[in-house]
Amino acid sequence: QVQFVQSGAEVKKPGASVKLSCEASGYTFTNFAMHWVRQAPGQRLEWMGWINAGNGNTRYSQKLQGRVTLSRDTSANTVYMELSSLRSEDTAVYYCARQSWYHFDHWGQGTLVTVSS
Amino acid sequence: EIVLTQSPGTLSLSPGEGATLSCRASQSVSSTSLAWYQHKPGQAPRLLIYGASSRATGIPDRFSGSGSGTDFTLTISRLEPEDFAVYYCQQYGGSPPYTFGQGTKLEIK
Repeated sequence: QVQFVQSGAEVKKPGASVKLSCEASGYTFTNFAMHWVRQAPGQRLEWMGWINAGNGNTRYSQKLQGRVTLSRDTSANTVYMELSSLRSEDTAVYYCARQSWYHFDHWGQGTLVTVSS
Repeated sequence: EIVLTQSPGTLSLSPGEGATLSCRASQSVSSTSLAWYQHKPGQAPRLLIYGASSRATGIPDRFSGSGSGTDFTLTISRLEPEDFAVYYCQQYGGSPPYTFGQGTKLEIK
């Protein structure tokens, strides 16, 4: 079955960077786009960007453009999300999610990132 | 940005009752691009409904979706104990291309 395993929780200081991973299994990795979505405490889900796992093309939220980078390793069936210049507002649970048409049919379990001095 | 507003914020019901959750968009949304998710604490969100009214694989038929334009509804008939969770609507279109509602918490009365 389709499954995503995300990397563990991170604690970072303001100004630092974080790189999260999301390992996929149960389907042909390069056939689907992968997205990252985050949820800050008490806030709604926020779309961050997506990567075409086949050709590596990316698109990012305008709000995060310049700070977020998505990449993938097809040999490891893994997508990565790197967020730089972290600030307290980036404290959130970060999810990877697989795109199907205009929605997300499978999600990872989430990774908590805490930004604190 | 297309803003999705869900109501009510919290819905208190008993098992066996029916639930009606609303999602209103700030501008018209294509029905093909409206989805609903169920989210329980510490778990991955679960796709329930896509294309406004199509049930995802493995979703019980007590879950149904309807609506068009700016008004969409998720209906849960005969609530089961495992249905108590937070529900989000999501749309595709505009910039950013994907936006979510703020969620409706369905709690046991």
